[in-house]
Amino acid sequence: KAGVTQTPRYLIKTRGQQVTLSCSPISGHRSVSWYQQTPGQGLQFLFEYFSETQRNKGNFPGRFSGRQFSNSRSEMNVSTLELGDSALYLCASSPTSGSHNEQFFGPGTRLTVL
Amino acid sequence: AQSVSQHNHHVILSEAASLELGCNYSYGGTVNLFWYVQYPGQHLQLLLKYFSGDPLVKGIKGFEAEFIKSKFSFNLRKPSVQWSDTAEYFCAVNAETNAGKSTFGDGTTLTVKP
Repeated sequence: KAGVTQTPRYLIKTRGQQVTLSCSPISGHRSVSWYQQTPGQGLQFLFEYFSETQRNKGNFPGRFSGRQFSNSRSEMNVSTLELGDSALYLCASSPTSGSHNEQFFGPGTRLTVL
Repeated sequence: AQSVSQHNHHVILSEAASLELGCNYSYGGTVNLFWYVQYPGQHLQLLLKYFSGDPLVKGIKGFEAEFIKSKFSFNLRKPSVQWSDTAEYFCAVNAETNAGKSTFGDGTTLTVKP
């Protein structure tokens, strides 16, 4: 099976712009979670989608949003970019909604905000 | 709210030395516990997980972890490390009520000298 894929891998934006990141989970996986990874804050949970519904949300401002499509692919959007949004954004998928499931991570999208 | 604390930010060992990485979590309910590893240039991947039963769990590449409920700890161990174990290690927890939301520790960078 192909792993979790994320596009694009690298992105450079300027303050005030918006960005959309994409994640394709492992085939058959229905849960997709997003994390922000920075040197200072580590891995921070953004949100999780399951069957096109947001099930969990982390403590990020409303500028961060996401959605999931019927084929389980997910996108996250960040509007009005700030310098502090520079980070590695990781997507992870799981087969179902059960908490016993490990998460399979993608390579991440490296976002740089200038 | 869940929180995870990893005691060591950077550990340096010589090959064949024994390893123990500390992980403590804070959460009042039932949790599932994970250790993930990120080798240089690679994705985060699962080392091992604990849900219930035997508190001593074995993972890939000779790693094991022990869940001590009274201490809220889930320490990772390996009797004899190899140069190829050089990586960043993350402890993570999720609660059964929040299946898709994992809380990660800040990570421990392990450097193994040949």
